[in-house]
Amino acid sequence: QSVLTQPPSVSGAPGQRVTISCAGSNSNIGGRLEVHWYQHLPGAAPKLLIYDDTKRPSGIPDRFSGSKSGTSASLAITGLQPEDEADYYCQSYDKILTAPVFGAGTKLTVL
Amino acid sequence: EVHLVESGGGLVEPGRSLRLSCAASGFIFKDHAMHWVRQSPGKGLEWVSSISWNSGTIDYADSVKGRFTISRDDATNSLYLQMNSLRTDDTALYYCAKDRAAAGPGYFDSWGRGTLVTVSS
Repeated sequence: QSVLTQPPSVSGAPGQRVTISCAGSNSNIGGRLEVHWYQHLPGAAPKLLIYDDTKRPSGIPDRFSGSKSGTSASLAITGLQPEDEADYYCQSYDKILTAPVFGAGTKLTVL
Repeated sequence: EVHLVESGGGLVEPGRSLRLSCAASGFIFKDHAMHWVRQSPGKGLEWVSSISWNSGTIDYADSVKGRFTISRDDATNSLYLQMNSLRTDDTALYYCAKDRAAAGPGYFDSWGRGTLVTVSS
């Protein structure tokens, strides 16, 4: 059971907007610990998409955005493209576990 | 460009040992904390271990504590994971990941493609 809770799957048609939620607790997201998001394509290295809740590394299109409120965070993807089909993971740090923690991952299907 | 290449994976019997390596290039290795993260078949990402820039802070997931040892060699830009007393539930793809900061753990801004460890009799 993951410390951070994500929906197992989301889907959307090309061009649409989808959001992926990441629910935590006061010992991680709610405790003012930053949330980061990764995209993982099968057979490839995971890629950092969003860091420190809302920031994008260079090269990541602005179709990807992050937000946080209370004990939860969200990743939004606008203008869905077929190449966005991948697994998406949220990550934070947990003060009780004293360890980095991941969500279980969300599989995005582009219909 | 950051490049992380893992090696050392393979098929090993329960109770045996394996040593993973990660060759790093494209950044100042000695200035960054480094991590091992794994993904078991059909499962999500799981943090395994971290080592700070100067090896002064080392952490392990409870699931590997006492069995795995992380280390680094800044002279050769290499990260290692010594895995002892391997169990079937250690079967996973093991990724080497670079931290954005020296002390860590922050976030993992670059990853390798992983090396597969299969523990089976």
